[in-house]
Amino acid sequence: QSALTQPASVSGSPGQSITISCTGTSNDVGNYNLVSWYQQYPGKAPKLMIYDVTKRPSGVSNRFSGSKSGNTASLTISGLQAADEANYYCCSYAGTTTFVVFGGGTKLTVL
Amino acid sequence: QVQLQESGPGLVKPSQTLSLTCTVSGGSISINGYYWNWIRQQPGKGLEWIGYIFYSGNTYYNPSLESRLAISRDTSKNQFSLKLTSVTAADTAVYYCARDGPYGDRVKFDSWGQGTLVSVSS
Repeated sequence: QSALTQPASVSGSPGQSITISCTGTSNDVGNYNLVSWYQQYPGKAPKLMIYDVTKRPSGVSNRFSGSKSGNTASLTISGLQAADEANYYCCSYAGTTTFVVFGGGTKLTVL
Repeated sequence: QVQLQESGPGLVKPSQTLSLTCTVSGGSISINGYYWNWIRQQPGKGLEWIGYIFYSGNTYYNPSLESRLAISRDTSKNQFSLKLTSVTAADTAVYYCARDGPYGDRVKFDSWGQGTLVSVSS
């Protein structure tokens, strides 16, 4: 069982927006603005999409955005494209005992 | 652009030690402020953080694996390594090495190796 809770799957049609939630606790997501999101295609390494809750690395489309409220972080993808169909994982810093926790992953299907 | 590459045996027998090495190119593992991590993914499952070695050489481990785990480095070869003892089938996974940081930017895994599948089987 993963430390952070994500929905197993979400879906949307091309052009629509979807949001993936990531629920943790006051020991991780709620206590640090250190949440990141990763996109992973089958058989490939994860790719950093969002870090520090809201920041996008250079080269990542501005259709990807992040936010946080309390113990829950969210990834929003707007203007869905077929290429966005992948698995998405959230990750949070969890302090100097646990250090790093991941979510269980969400499979995004573009209908 | 830093690049990471995992290497090591693809098959390990139960109760033996899993050993992997990550070779880093395009940047020094001793550069100030970066964390050099091991992360694994069991077949069909999510990501699990294993541990990291800081640029200073300090190591930090997932508490659930700490008793079986050792991460070390060879700065002359710009490599860092993972040893996991007493493996079972539950340790079968794709193992990734990844860079985090710099200091202050945590869980910012911006560079990953391609991953290497390690199977535990007799």
